[in-house]
Amino acid sequence: GAVVSQHPSRVICKSGTSVKIECRSLDFQATTMFWYRQFPKKSLMLMATSNEGSKATYEQGVEKDKFLINHASLTLSTLTVTSAHPEDSSFYICSATELAGFYNEQFFGPGTRLTVL
Amino acid sequence: AQSVAQPEDQVNVAEGNPLTVKCTYSVSGNPYLFWYVQYPNRGLQFLLKYITGDNLVKGSYGFEAEFNKSQTSFHLKKPSALVSDSALYFCAVRDWGNAGNMLTFGGGTRLMVKP
Repeated sequence: GAVVSQHPSRVICKSGTSVKIECRSLDFQATTMFWYRQFPKKSLMLMATSNEGSKATYEQGVEKDKFLINHASLTLSTLTVTSAHPEDSSFYICSATELAGFYNEQFFGPGTRLTVL
Repeated sequence: AQSVAQPEDQVNVAEGNPLTVKCTYSVSGNPYLFWYVQYPNRGLQFLLKYITGDNLVKGSYGFEAEFNKSQTSFHLKKPSALVSDSALYFCAVRDWGNAGNMLTFGGGTRLMVKP
């Protein structure tokens, strides 16, 4: 089946630093990737949708200058949390779809736990 | 707009008993429905999906779900629960009219299976 990886799985950083999270589709080409944020014991909140080679589409309330998303290739999307603060601590999950179109499923990565001190 | 409701924050079941995790949805068109399971500090694992056809869908790990159009429900079921089924379960929906492939998730239901 389709596999999506994320790196790192866990990161701890100091307040004010930037953190980059990678999302890779290992055995398929991902035309669209999604970034979600999950708070403890809460559901997934879609942050943004990115299509390869174009700018990401951010959901309402998500700061695009704080959460920089790059989808430079068909197998890699990155989320950079700039000038991270403790309130950015969360579990970030990416997902990817292989082809555009309705029937194509989202395959989820294992998630990245970000802790900002 | 599409939405999903999981009315129970937690479901408690004894091992060996049947379990049901409830999900209702709202879409403007026809729904494309999913169930995912999440173990602690892990991403989402796909359990099953409904697109069209038979209302009873069978999925991974012995789970099944029943699509009920009149009640706009897609409840997850298993005939005999295992302690290892304890996890967080998410129902999700995509509208056939949603060309952006965007999934909307329910709030999640924590399943606790006790020995």
